[in-house]
Amino acid sequence: GENVEQHPSTLSVQEGDSAVIKCTYSDSASNYFPWYKQELGKRPQLIIDIRSNVGEKKDQRIAVTLNKTAKHFSLHITETQPEDSAVYFCAASSPGYALNFGKGTSLLVTP
Amino acid sequence: EAQVTQNPRYLITVTGKKLTVTCSQNMNHEYMSWYRQDPGLGLRQIYYSMNVEVTDKGDVPEGYKVSRKEKRNFPLILESPSPNQTSLYFCASSFSVAGQETQYFGPGTRLLVL
Repeated sequence: GENVEQHPSTLSVQEGDSAVIKCTYSDSASNYFPWYKQELGKRPQLIIDIRSNVGEKKDQRIAVTLNKTAKHFSLHITETQPEDSAVYFCAASSPGYALNFGKGTSLLVTP
Repeated sequence: EAQVTQNPRYLITVTGKKLTVTCSQNMNHEYMSWYRQDPGLGLRQIYYSMNVEVTDKGDVPEGYKVSRKEKRNFPLILESPSPNQTSLYFCASSFSVAGQETQYFGPGTRLLVL
């Protein structure tokens, strides 16, 4: 089955800096890669996703890149703000199969 | 309002006392699943359902049961809870089968088994 590795497990940045979280996956058939954000005490919520026919996708300050050959994808947050502090989960799935989540990255943005 | 609801939100119980956590969605979603979240382990899938009367095991199904008699409901049953099932549980649903669409999570159920 699919195995998703996520790094780093914790990340601390200063407000205004960029943050990058990286994930690798094992199943070459995986074609859907979402990112979820979980604020403290809240439920995970989708922030951005990318499919394998696209190499990069942006939504304001967040972007995701996908390298199918290397089987890794990354979340980039620019101009970080304190409200970006949360746990971020990457995930991967192949058609007909359930999502597999990474173990999460706890991001802390300090003022 | 489109949503996924879970009940109860918090539960303290004792080893061996059967319990059920309910999950309901009002979005006519076909796909529903249960996850448990533990520190350092992320979200691990317990069971999932692709439609009514269709359920399958996820990565950590031991000690759990589910049923999908109606499209909107997907209860999680712990027949004989043990302390290692102390965890934060999330129900989730999505429109299409499997994991290829946005998953909408419920608010979570925090379970403590003594």
